[in-house]
Amino acid sequence: GAVVSQHPSWVICKSGTSVKIECRSLDFQATTMFWYRQFPKQSLMLMATSNEGSKATYEQGVEKDKFLINHASLTLSTLTVTSAHPEDSSFYICSATRRGDSHEQYFGPGTRLTVT
Amino acid sequence: GDSVTQMEGPVTLSEEAFLTINCTYTATGYPSLFWYVQYPGEGLQLLLKATKADDKGSNKGFEATYRKETTSFHLEKGSVQVSDSAVYFCALSGSDDKIIFGKGTRLHILP
Repeated sequence: GAVVSQHPSWVICKSGTSVKIECRSLDFQATTMFWYRQFPKQSLMLMATSNEGSKATYEQGVEKDKFLINHASLTLSTLTVTSAHPEDSSFYICSATRRGDSHEQYFGPGTRLTVT
Repeated sequence: GDSVTQMEGPVTLSEEAFLTINCTYTATGYPSLFWYVQYPGEGLQLLLKATKADDKGSNKGFEATYRKETTSFHLEKGSVQVSDSAVYFCALSGSDDKIIFGKGTRLHILP
């Protein structure tokens, strides 16, 4: 159990367009979802934390108007990169915690975004 | 703030060699400690964890002991296999449940 999926697994978009990435918990209800960004050969940097039905909490330095996060249900969170630029190209990873076990996060496989 | 420091890679070993990947942390309070593994082209998987001092986490032949006195959580395996080639991340989770990751150590195992 505790499987998290992401869609798409990779996406290429043109500069100036927006792209949406979905994160789903397949077999559990996710009380909290996290979005991370991973640069090549570097660690994961937390971008934001979202709880179902409430606004996301963004980490310092992350533009909330550029990275829109919606957590509409207990199994789905979306990250929309608005007006994407080449510097937004990265590997985006989501994770989720399930009710009663907030210490363990279950990670999705990641989405590779390339902005041309 | 809280942080995790782990040895830089890449680490290259021959099959059946002994593995140690060092990890130390700084944190207020009593964090939970984790090792995650990322295989090529895949997402992060929890390898093992320890939630209090002197706990030993173990999985797939890997072990790590939560050492509060040295603020360390070193990863060890007695005999590595080619299939262990991956990137390993040491991490901690504090009172706010946010995970802080180390920079990762890339491990190459040669047949």
